[in-house]
Amino acid sequence: DAKTTQPNSMESNEEEPVHLPCNHSTISGTDYIHWYRQLPSQGPEYVIHGLTSNVNNRMASLAIAEDRKSSTLILHRATLRDAAVYYCIPVYSGGGADGLTFGKGTHLIIQP
Amino acid sequence: EPEVTQTPSHQVTQMGQEVILRCVPISNHLYFYWYRQILGQKVEFLVSFYNNEISEKSEIFDDQFSVERPDGSNFTLKIRSTKLEDSAMYFCASSEKGMYQPQHFGDGTRLSIL
Repeated sequence: DAKTTQPNSMESNEEEPVHLPCNHSTISGTDYIHWYRQLPSQGPEYVIHGLTSNVNNRMASLAIAEDRKSSTLILHRATLRDAAVYYCIPVYSGGGADGLTFGKGTHLIIQP
Repeated sequence: EPEVTQTPSHQVTQMGQEVILRCVPISNHLYFYWYRQILGQKVEFLVSFYNNEISEKSEIFDDQFSVERPDGSNFTLKIRSTKLEDSAMYFCASSEKGMYQPQHFGDGTRLSIL
């Protein structure tokens, strides 16, 4: 499995953009980059995924470096509800029912 | 929006007893998963299930554990002869197509072994 490196924690202010980085220098060319988050006392929640191109959805944007060795999850306007642990997870595109490998993630703190 | 539901939210069991954790995946999903999270630690994959059989399992998923889809809606995790170290949050997840498609998680069952 590709190894990922994320900062242990980050802090941001409410209503400001947040950029959460992830390094995945050993990622395979067939691995998608997934982001999940886990709010306090809840199960993990899917946020976004991409392969090569940048991706946008209603929750966030995902910017993928051209060499695919890193990516950045962008929350355009953080709210208190975005306080969570964010996980960057490479996922093999050819797998069947492969389990996700969670790391320690980044604990995002949002200040009001 | 459809969601994965898990029952009970909290289960307290004596060591050595059997416990069954229940999950109702999203209705049109075909791939099912169990994960666990010991307090303060990472979320760990246990097992995946597709087409009525185990697809993948981790080293954690030993003979003490079993999974079943007894009917068209439920997906269960059985832990035989529970140990203190089985105390954890257990999360069920489902995915429509497997592979790299998103997994949708329930809010978990907190299992406490006394």
